[in-house]
Amino acid sequence: AQSVTQPDIHITVSEGASLELRCNYSYGATPYLFWYVQSPGQGLQLLLKYFSGDTLVQGIKGFEAEFKRSQSSFNLRKPSVHWSDAAEYFCAVCYGGSQGNLIFGKGTKLSVKP
Amino acid sequence: DGGITQSPKYLFRKEGQNVTLSCEQNLNHDAMYWYRQDPGQGLRLIYYSQIVNDFQKGDIAEGYSVSREKKESFPLTVTSAQKNPTAFYLCASSRQRPGGANVLTFGAGSRLTVL
Repeated sequence: AQSVTQPDIHITVSEGASLELRCNYSYGATPYLFWYVQSPGQGLQLLLKYFSGDTLVQGIKGFEAEFKRSQSSFNLRKPSVHWSDAAEYFCAVCYGGSQGNLIFGKGTKLSVKP
Repeated sequence: DGGITQSPKYLFRKEGQNVTLSCEQNLNHDAMYWYRQDPGQGLRLIYYSQIVNDFQKGDIAEGYSVSREKKESFPLTVTSAQKNPTAFYLCASSRQRPGGANVLTFGAGSRLTVL
C-alpha cells in the first residue's frame, strides 16, 4: 500500500540552529509531494509543494524541501529556526490518477529551545 | 477573505448521541474532505466529495455520514455507531485537478469529546 513515513516523532532544536525533517514515501509513479504545518489546536497550512521541475522547492516562512527520487525522500529544511516554528509538521503524497487524494504521514512535532 | 469555517470549535457529546459538525467554504472549490486526527496518527480520510450530491467513503467511514447538497457546505454527522468518536476533525477543500494532485485548504478544526 502507498504510504508516507516520517521517522522522527519529536525533534527539539535550539533557536537559530538548522533544521531537517525527514519524509520518505513508498514507490509510485508521478508523486506529488507536500509539507503542511499545524499549530496546536489549529488546522493545517501548506508550507510548500512539489509537482515537477526543479527538485529544490522554496516555501513560506523560509522553508525549503528537496525531492530525491532515488531515495524516495522529500526532506524539509530551514537554515535557522525561530521559536515561532514550534509546531507539528506533516508530509503528504499524492499519486497521479488516484483522484488526487493525499496520504499523510503521522507527523513530526518540533520543539524549539531558547 | 476566502476560507473554510468549521463549527463548533469544541463539542461535547454523551454516548449514544449523534452530532453534526458544520463545514462551510467560500473558496468556490469543487472538492471537500473530512479528516480525523488522533495524537500520533496523522490525518485519516473519512469522506470526500468531488461534486454536489456525490461523495465517497475514505479510509475510516464507518460510523460517519455526510451530505453535499450545496457546493459550499459539507456537514459531517458522527453517529452513535462510531466506537471511538473523541478526536479532532478537520474539514478541507480543493480545486479539482484531473490526473494531478489536489492542494488542500484546511479549516481550523472541531474537537469532539464524548463524555
